[in-house]
Amino acid sequence: AQTVTQSQPEMSVQEAETVTLSCTYDTSESDYYLFWYKQPPSRQMILVIRQEAYKQQNATENRFSVNFQKAAKSFSLKISDSQLGDAAMYFCAREGGGATNKLIFGTGTLLAVQP
Amino acid sequence: NAGVTQTPKFRILKIGQSMTLQCTQDMNHNYMYWYRQDPGMGLKLIYYSVGAGITDKGEVPNGYNVSRSTTEDFPLRLELAAPSQTSVYFCASSKQGNTEAFFGQGTRLTVV
Repeated sequence: AQTVTQSQPEMSVQEAETVTLSCTYDTSESDYYLFWYKQPPSRQMILVIRQEAYKQQNATENRFSVNFQKAAKSFSLKISDSQLGDAAMYFCAREGGGATNKLIFGTGTLLAVQP
Repeated sequence: NAGVTQTPKFRILKIGQSMTLQCTQDMNHNYMYWYRQDPGMGLKLIYYSVGAGITDKGEVPNGYNVSRSTTEDFPLRLELAAPSQTSVYFCASSKQGNTEAFFGQGTRLTVV
């Protein structure tokens, strides 16, 4: 089965510090997209960042950046200058194939931000 | 802009009852999806549709049915509710050629 693995069920970071959330995945495809979604207590799913596999450059969005290691099938999320509003569940996901944009999600990492 | 709208937001069903979770989007997206989220399990795909009149099973389709008669609407039907269907259900949509998915606010369903 194609899987996405998030090995850290919970993480904690001090406000203004940096934290890295881990994600590994499996796939037999050469080109695909990877995503990080944020789910705050409101339950809304919010796209944080996405990476296309054939692009060597790591994606960045303001304080969020990824470390994409294609050969290792690793896709970690780095949050810099953490803010209280970053506290949420974070899901890693990859395209499910078939050009239908369906997603395969990991089990999530619950991030707490300490003031 | 409304985006993806799901109704209801909460519902309690008795075992064996039926219900339809409504989902509508106003972005003219051709792709639509239903996911369920169980505690500690992430989101799993139930059904998806690539356009009006076309639906296909996802990872966990048993106990559910869908239809897609219009581009805007993608209802999810539970025919005989079971406790195993207690979950949070998310509808999402995306545009062909653009991988970003837009999610509704979710429906928390409890079957007792």
